[in-house]
Amino acid sequence: SQQGEEDPQALSIQEGENATMNCSYKTSINNLQWYRQNSGRGLVHLILIRSNEREKHSGRLRVTLDTSKKSSSLLITASRAADTASYFCATDRKTGGFKTIFGAGTRLFVKA
Amino acid sequence: NAGVTQTPKFQVLKTGQSMTLQCAQDMNHNSMYWYRQDPGMGLRLIYYSASEGTTDKGEVPNGYNVSRLNKREFSLRLESAAPSQTSVYFCASSAATRSSYEQYFGPGTRLTVT
Repeated sequence: SQQGEEDPQALSIQEGENATMNCSYKTSINNLQWYRQNSGRGLVHLILIRSNEREKHSGRLRVTLDTSKKSSSLLITASRAADTASYFCATDRKTGGFKTIFGAGTRLFVKA
Repeated sequence: NAGVTQTPKFQVLKTGQSMTLQCAQDMNHNSMYWYRQDPGMGLRLIYYSASEGTTDKGEVPNGYNVSRLNKREFSLRLESAAPSQTSVYFCASSAATRSSYEQYFGPGTRLTVT
């Protein structure tokens, strides 16, 4: 079973709008990362948030982490057509050895 | 820097054939990974190598073997391909396996087994 699960599975918005994607996970984590995948390409790292952090910003990206609810959100502000991609959260486990687990992703489509 | 490179980009195999997917990184990373991605799904870890000389099974290792040839190169071998192995395969690398390090991905190999 997957540690991280994103929702929604797909999201379609107009250019200029904000896009919010959520990730829920099951067990305690050390870190949570968000990646982007453009169609047919490999994943690209966007941002990492540690378990003792609540919010992080990087350009138009804002990530929050709520460890009590075991969830994270990725907000993309003022979206652009170039933001069209799939977005994945990747989580780990505090115990049980190394294992970074990717969710199934949210497919974001930004209409120009 | 080329980052992470993979060959080939595309491959079609018949059931029972074998092949090796090649991966190389030029970032002097210690850790390397092989994932598969099936339609509409996230990545599933096949094997990883925490450092040169070590390899470990991931989530879905059956039907695959790996070799960490040196610090730069990590290959994935399918000994007897099956249609269930039709997928896109990604190689990745990171400075270390700890989850505080980001992974860098190659462009992928699209494999079809008929």
